[in-house]
Amino acid sequence: AQSVTQLDSQVPVFEEAPVELRCNYSSSVSVYLFWYVQYPNQGLQLLLKYLSGSTLVESINGFEAEFNKSQTSFHLRKPSVHISDTAEYFCAVRRGRGSTLGRLYFGRGTQLTVWP
Amino acid sequence: GAGVSQSPRYKVTKRGQDVTLRCDPISSHATLYWYQQALGQGPEFLTYFNYEAQPDKSGLPSDRFSAERPEGSISTLTIQRTEQRDSAMYRCASSRDSNTGELFFGEGSRLTVL
Repeated sequence: AQSVTQLDSQVPVFEEAPVELRCNYSSSVSVYLFWYVQYPNQGLQLLLKYLSGSTLVESINGFEAEFNKSQTSFHLRKPSVHISDTAEYFCAVRRGRGSTLGRLYFGRGTQLTVWP
Repeated sequence: GAGVSQSPRYKVTKRGQDVTLRCDPISSHATLYWYQQALGQGPEFLTYFNYEAQPDKSGLPSDRFSAERPEGSISTLTIQRTEQRDSAMYRCASSRDSNTGELFFGEGSRLTVL
């Protein structure tokens, strides 16, 4: 089975500071990687994804994540956060082939709180 | 519909009662997923449908849990003889197909079993 580790359950930062939310996964096969975000009182929304190609992927609101196969990591970063980035962030993986395509394995989530 | 809709948003029930949760996916989406999310944990896969077919229900924790999607659109998740450990957020998601990996989630149904 897949395993996704988000080491930090809470990350408090001040506005305009940089942030990194860490995600590691365990897998010996090819995987697809995702970050989902949940704003208060809303459902999970896809933030960004890595399927293939460039290992650095970006979202429309300034987040980026880099797939590092040797370290089995997919950390999420933003150089300057805004208060509106306050949300819970979930890292997820999906097997590249076999099993149930579309079945995602989630980490336990990281609550990012941005203070003014 | 425009987005994934789940009902009820909140459900409180007594241990031993049956509960049914409903999910109305995005109308053009063939694939529908159910996830269970316990407090402080990430969502965990329960089962999924391609239209009305249910190829994988390996994540259902016991035979008290069942899901249906009889006409390939709306789905229900039923928990029989509820137990306190069933208390969780139940999330439904849909996608165009099972290959895209982009799931669109509803707001969830929070179940509390007393």
